[in-house]
Amino acid sequence: DIQMTQSPSSLSASVGDRVTITCRASQSISSYLNWYQQKPGKAPKLLIYAASSLQSGVPSRFSGSGSGTDFTLTISSLQPEDFASYYCQQSYSIPPLTFGGGTKVEIK
Amino acid sequence: EVHLLESGGGLVQPGGSLRVSCAASGFTFSSYAMSWVRQAPGKGLEWVSTISGSGGTTYYADSVKGRFTISRDNSKNTLYLQMNSLRAEDTAAYYCAKDIVVVPAMGTYIDYWGQGTLVTVSS
Repeated sequence: DIQMTQSPSSLSASVGDRVTITCRASQSISSYLNWYQQKPGKAPKLLIYAASSLQSGVPSRFSGSGSGTDFTLTISSLQPEDFASYYCQQSYSIPPLTFGGGTKVEIK
Repeated sequence: EVHLLESGGGLVQPGGSLRVSCAASGFTFSSYAMSWVRQAPGKGLEWVSTISGSGGTTYYADSVKGRFTISRDNSKNTLYLQMNSLRAEDTAAYYCAKDIVVVPAMGTYIDYWGQGTLVTVSS
């Protein structure tokens, strides 16, 4: 099975900061990488699919990049509503549909 | 508008059984694969199972294989997860999720999630 490793596991940032989250796959997954946002007590929400495609309705401050084994999710200017946990997920080799361990973005 | 509503969660003793359901609306249910994803308290997301649009293809995580059964009733727009031989480590919020394809394949992803139903396994 392909393992997904996210870093950092948590970070503290201020409103307006540029935030970057990294996801690494244990083997090449081409561009089959998706990102989800989850706020406390809520269901996850799709942000980015196929490594860099923005889901409809998602603000343009969110962007994704990468291919092969290394991927990043960037929030260009952190907003109060962006404080949440973020998960990457690979869909190159299924099953299983594997998720990264998550990154919690907290207020500094 | 896509809507997924889970039900059936609750407290069950170790070794017991429980069936959770997910009522879907706002899309052609039979045209999409559906999945269950769980999240233990304070932990990350764990994929549990996926079923194709027709119900003819199913996949399971190793952690639940042989104990859980995913099914669907396309006439009722409802997804099910039958959970047997439950263990303490199965305690989690169980999310119903809609895939973007009818048969699970490379490149798939989840575009809609339900709000989840909590399953607690404890004596």
